[in-house]
Amino acid sequence: EAGVTQFPSHSVIEKGQTVTLRCDPISGHDNLYWYRRVMGKEIKFLLHFVKESKQDESGMPNNRFLAERTGGTYSTLKVQPAELEDSGVYFCASSRDSTYNEQFFGPGTRLTVL
Amino acid sequence: QKEVEQNSGPLSVPEGAIASLNCTYSDRGSQSFFWYRQYSGKSPELIMFIYSNGDKEDGRFTAQLNKASQYVSLLIRDSQPSDSATYLCAVNFWNSGNTPLVFGKGTRLSVIA
Repeated sequence: EAGVTQFPSHSVIEKGQTVTLRCDPISGHDNLYWYRRVMGKEIKFLLHFVKESKQDESGMPNNRFLAERTGGTYSTLKVQPAELEDSGVYFCASSRDSTYNEQFFGPGTRLTVL
Repeated sequence: QKEVEQNSGPLSVPEGAIASLNCTYSDRGSQSFFWYRQYSGKSPELIMFIYSNGDKEDGRFTAQLNKASQYVSLLIRDSQPSDSATYLCAVNFWNSGNTPLVFGKGTRLSVIA
């Protein structure tokens, strides 16, 4: 079974530019999560999709972040315009419907905003 | 505010010893508890989860949960240099299943050959 994949692995952009991150979850996993880890801090939740619907976006920092999951398969996370504080590692995780919600993580996208 | 606390380490143990990693959390209503291992620059890898008080063993790993004390730990027996990594504790605080995890900052483990 293929794991969660993310693209790109690294992105370096200038402040004010736009970046789009992609996540492909494990096949058959309806739940897809985006998390972020900024330097020196813990991994923090951004939002949760169930299939194509946003279940919880309480962790999204502001309206410069837009996530989509058209068709309930892969998801994109767009940052527009990027700011310096958006730098960090963006992780995607997926899980089946289950009582205990074991989440499997992708390798992350390291975003650097200069 | 739901929080998960871990000692950042580094925790250094000699090869073959037992490594003990600890985690406390803020909410007694928490549902399930996860330990992830993360090598530098890699994805967090799920190694164990536990939801009932007591011990759960899987190979060299044992997770221990004490909900009254709001404490979960991970023991690694016969530690190997390949176990050197950051260990992340994560908690599902809510009573429904498919909700976000809250992570601690992680404990860096170094196993010395």
